[in-house]
Amino acid sequence: ETGVTQTPRHLVMGMTNKKSLKCEQHLGHNAMYWYKQSAKKPLELMFVYSLEERVENNSVPSRFSPECPNSSHLFLHLHTLQPEDSALYLCASSQGDYSNTGELFFGEGSRLTVL
Amino acid sequence: EDQVTQSPEALRLQEGESSSLNCSYTVSGLRGLFWYRQDPGKGPEFLFTLYSAGEEKEKERLKATLTKKESFLHITAPKPEDSATYLCAVQGSNDYKLSFGAGTTVTVRA
Repeated sequence: ETGVTQTPRHLVMGMTNKKSLKCEQHLGHNAMYWYKQSAKKPLELMFVYSLEERVENNSVPSRFSPECPNSSHLFLHLHTLQPEDSALYLCASSQGDYSNTGELFFGEGSRLTVL
Repeated sequence: EDQVTQSPEALRLQEGESSSLNCSYTVSGLRGLFWYRQDPGKGPEFLFTLYSAGEEKEKERLKATLTKKESFLHITAPKPEDSATYLCAVQGSNDYKLSFGAGTTVTVRA
């Protein structure tokens, strides 16, 4: 495995379900990110972890809960979502410290549909 | 707050028909301007970083240029495989976060 891997690629859930998105990076990078991408909108930064410590949550609703158990893995736990949360959720990593974001390496994304 | 505006929203080209994409930005002290390519159903892929006005970067049929207010991504003699959405992002000196534009979707017909 190389790069940044996200699972599942597609997820359909009801508003009362609890699910998790998983991200794994095989690049030895120090920082990991969750972004939300909605149709025809700019990417929105949700969370940043640097050396497993959360440094940004960017006013994200509490129904999204991140977890970073080590520098290679990142999770996004989902519960009681709303239909407007349907989007492509992208995980990314960067080699440098989060303050020098520079070049981001993205995974292929998890397409979430909330019914 | 940093802002990025990309135009046009969509661009349809004939194979071999060169064109340019625009990325206008406002930022307090530019640390870097970044171009990414995103294919349907995939995550963005890094293309270029530009740091100062006058800088240019090239990769195959793509050339990125930078002024104090905007960046252009020139596509020379495009091929169908250049079809993608191209994203622009800036990083200002006051904020480590990248601010992304909404992207330009390029379709190249054979």
